[in-house]
Amino acid sequence: QVQLQESGPGLVKSSETLSLTCAVSGYSISRGYFWGWIRQPPGKGLEWIGSVHYSGSPYYNPSLKSRVTISRDTSKNQFSLKLTSVTAADTAVYYCASGPWEYDYWGQGTLVTVSS
Amino acid sequence: QSALTQPASVSGSPGQSIAISCTGTSSDVGGYNYVSWYQHHPGKAPKLMIYDVSKRPSGVSNRFSGSKSGNTASLTISGLQAEDEGDYYCCSHAAGSTRVFGGGTKLTVL
Repeated sequence: QVQLQESGPGLVKSSETLSLTCAVSGYSISRGYFWGWIRQPPGKGLEWIGSVHYSGSPYYNPSLKSRVTISRDTSKNQFSLKLTSVTAADTAVYYCASGPWEYDYWGQGTLVTVSS
Repeated sequence: QSALTQPASVSGSPGQSIAISCTGTSSDVGGYNYVSWYQHHPGKAPKLMIYDVSKRPSGVSNRFSGSKSGNTASLTISGLQAEDEGDYYCCSHAAGSTRVFGGGTKLTVL
């Protein structure tokens, strides 16, 4: 069974960089799938942030592209999200997700709050 | 890349059928047969209900079905049950191997 687990600071200061990691168990991230990040601001809908292909190629939401980096560490079987110059609008529950069809597998989500 | 358009809310009585629409453009929904649907309950991870427009993952009830016509995809739930209540999101492939979600629809089982 594929399992994903997000980790990282729950509080980030405005203008700084948000960094999260998704640890994967049960499947090698270099074997297949897209490995993605999705977020949900409080009271709002899901927003696709981006993903990294198992080959290592990243893909980003055009509206966030200038601030986002998604990378993978195959030695640790994990992938990461970095979002720079954060503001209050980046406060959200952040999910990592993946799967053979679309986003079959999800982490439980982690709340990141941007403080001023 | 704008969010796909979904109705904010739909409702139905137990046993009835409802449909949730998801409207995009020829650059996303209309351009690919890769629309997925997710059920989301507060505090939990979203659950994949439909992928590739109309396919169901193993374990998902056959009460859930998907379809697409032009730039609009639809999720139909038949034989509504109380446990179906929650938020539903569509998601489509878009240009450059990106994805775009809909704004979400709150389903209330009366």
